[in-house]
Amino acid sequence: QKEVEQNSGPLSVPEGAIASLNCTYSDRGSQSFFWYRQYSGKSPELIMFIYSNGDKEDGRFTAQLNKASQYVSLLIRDSQPSDSATYLCAVRFILVGGGADGLTFGKGTHLIIQP
Amino acid sequence: DAGVIQSPRHEVTEMGQEVTLRCKPISGHDYLFWYRQTMMRGLELLIYFNNNVPIDDSGMPEDRFSAKMPNASFSTLKIQPSEPRDSAVYFCASSLGSGGYEQYFGPGTRLTVT
Repeated sequence: QKEVEQNSGPLSVPEGAIASLNCTYSDRGSQSFFWYRQYSGKSPELIMFIYSNGDKEDGRFTAQLNKASQYVSLLIRDSQPSDSATYLCAVRFILVGGGADGLTFGKGTHLIIQP
Repeated sequence: DAGVIQSPRHEVTEMGQEVTLRCKPISGHDYLFWYRQTMMRGLELLIYFNNNVPIDDSGMPEDRFSAKMPNASFSTLKIQPSEPRDSAVYFCASSLGSGGYEQYFGPGTRLTVT
């Protein structure tokens, strides 16, 4: 059973500060990890993906992966009011032979950036 | 380039009626996914296809739900008969290749069953 857990929030962060979003997953076979952002009434859009242990940086966003602890996080530096949204953590299990399973999503963390 | 297209965007129907949701994936993408999103359960994978073939339908809630992909550019998700608990936003997504490639989501269909 694949499960992805996130704190639902809301997480309130002042503008300009670092927002830290966390996610844990239950399946040790999981190999691909994604962070999606979803504005209210809109569809999810990919922010970052990470496959290897460690940090991956893209602009103001940093994804961190620790497979031993089954933990993935997203840091948003210099938070802006436009970052206010729900952030969904998703995990994809790669099958033997290269085929990919669908994404298992957490329920999301609602982030509020306070001006 | 056009993204994933879904229709209708909104659907209101009465309990017991048949509902058909439609999706056109991004041209060239070989994976297509159907998801359902509710406040209670979040975003759930219902079924996905690879090269028009259903690969995993274990997320389909019950026999009232069925999905088809007759060709590479069209898929349907049908609910018959519909029930109020089917009310949700249904997303279609597509991706190119396996191994964790990015999934692109359509705008979703908001279904309300009264």
